[in-house]
Amino acid sequence: NAGVTQTPKFQVLKTGQSMTLQCAQDMNHNSMYWYRQDPGMGLRLIYYSASEGTTDKGEVPNGYNVSRLNKREFSLRLESAAPSQTSVYFCASSEQGLDIQYFGAGTRLSVL
Amino acid sequence: QKEVEQDPGPLSVPEGAIVSLNCTYSNSAFQYFMWYRQYSRKGPELLMYTYSSGNKEDGRFTAQVDKSSKYISLFIRDSQPSDSATYLCAMSAGGYQKVTFGTGTKLQVIP
Repeated sequence: NAGVTQTPKFQVLKTGQSMTLQCAQDMNHNSMYWYRQDPGMGLRLIYYSASEGTTDKGEVPNGYNVSRLNKREFSLRLESAAPSQTSVYFCASSEQGLDIQYFGAGTRLSVL
Repeated sequence: QKEVEQDPGPLSVPEGAIVSLNCTYSNSAFQYFMWYRQYSRKGPELLMYTYSSGNKEDGRFTAQVDKSSKYISLFIRDSQPSDSATYLCAMSAGGYQKVTFGTGTKLQVIP
């Protein structure tokens, strides 16, 4: 049982480049989330999708877009990367209405 | 003031020690409380989940919630080197409210 799978694991971008972080879950969860984790800041919610077909902004959405492709997949796009977006990005999923979230292994992104 | 405060550590203890990790919070609406463990370069994994006040025990781990003091704790008995990780507290008001995470406490258990 893979749980939550994120790709890629590592990425280095130049300022202004774009990229999409992929996330897929095989637990039949309705809700999916994207977080970034920075030293001293904890996990901060970027966007979430309460159910297939819906997305909402979290705490730090600026500079990001998301797509809930289907029930399994939730992608995060950086249209024009900035050094401030250097971070570790985590995707998570949960059953709708419950608070227990299951996390992927993360994507380490560096923007030069 | 942050909604959830957690001492970042690092906390170093000898193997076999009892470890106490703590978080304080300001939002009285929080009623679901979680502890996640995060190994280096890995994603957080759920360790304990409790509702409202009281204690919950799972093996060497005990979670305590004191809603009157807005204070939660995680105790680890007979700590092992494999417990070395960052521990994140998390809490929510429930329903469709977002989960708020602490910044994490880094724990090192020395053999």
